[in-house]
Amino acid sequence: RKEVEQDPGPFNVPEGATVAFNCTYSNSASQSFFWYRQDCRKEPKLLMSVYSSGNEDGRFTAQLNRASQYISLLIRDSKLSDSATYLCGRRGGYQKVTFGIGTKLQVIP
Amino acid sequence: SQTIHQWPATLVQPVGSPLSLECTVEGTSNPNLYWYRQAAGRGLQLLFYSVGIGQISSEVPQNLSASRPQDRQFILSSKKLLLSDSGFYLCAGPQGDYGYTFGSGTRLTVV
Repeated sequence: RKEVEQDPGPFNVPEGATVAFNCTYSNSASQSFFWYRQDCRKEPKLLMSVYSSGNEDGRFTAQLNRASQYISLLIRDSKLSDSATYLCGRRGGYQKVTFGIGTKLQVIP
Repeated sequence: SQTIHQWPATLVQPVGSPLSLECTVEGTSNPNLYWYRQAAGRGLQLLFYSVGIGQISSEVPQNLSASRPQDRQFILSSKKLLLSDSGFYLCAGPQGDYGYTFGSGTRLTVV
């Protein structure tokens, strides 16, 4: 089993829709998790950190479920500009981050 | 805050040629630094990390090597490139508790 797994998609959703992505991880000792956004042919940029209680930033909500070993990202009221690939990451020893393959989101007018 | 610089942005190299990609860091001292590769249709794969000058750890066996000659400099090299070395190379450094900051990356095509 991969350390971090994501559904690569693509997820095609209409503008204004709510969409959720999950990311499962295999190392139960993991403490820190992240969601990154990667636009086509660009470097990933941090979207949100995810801690034990989860967090919310505007239309974006990240949750951590330790019992089931997954993190989620919820995007409400999707905008065309949300179209990108969303990567989840798990931080381990030496601050190394292991990433999932990424989930591609396409928001359709 | 930390800034990661990478160059060049794109590179086309023939098979068998050498490679040197440079990453420099501003805004922090003695950071851990990381080289990742993202091959077409694949995820980010950690290649090397460094916790200080002269200290390099390799994550996967490969045709590449890395060096950390200065605190804020991290270099990725190859003596002879293979077709399979093509990909998007990213240098990264920790950003406090907030995951990584990435450089803008180098897109390498080996022909």
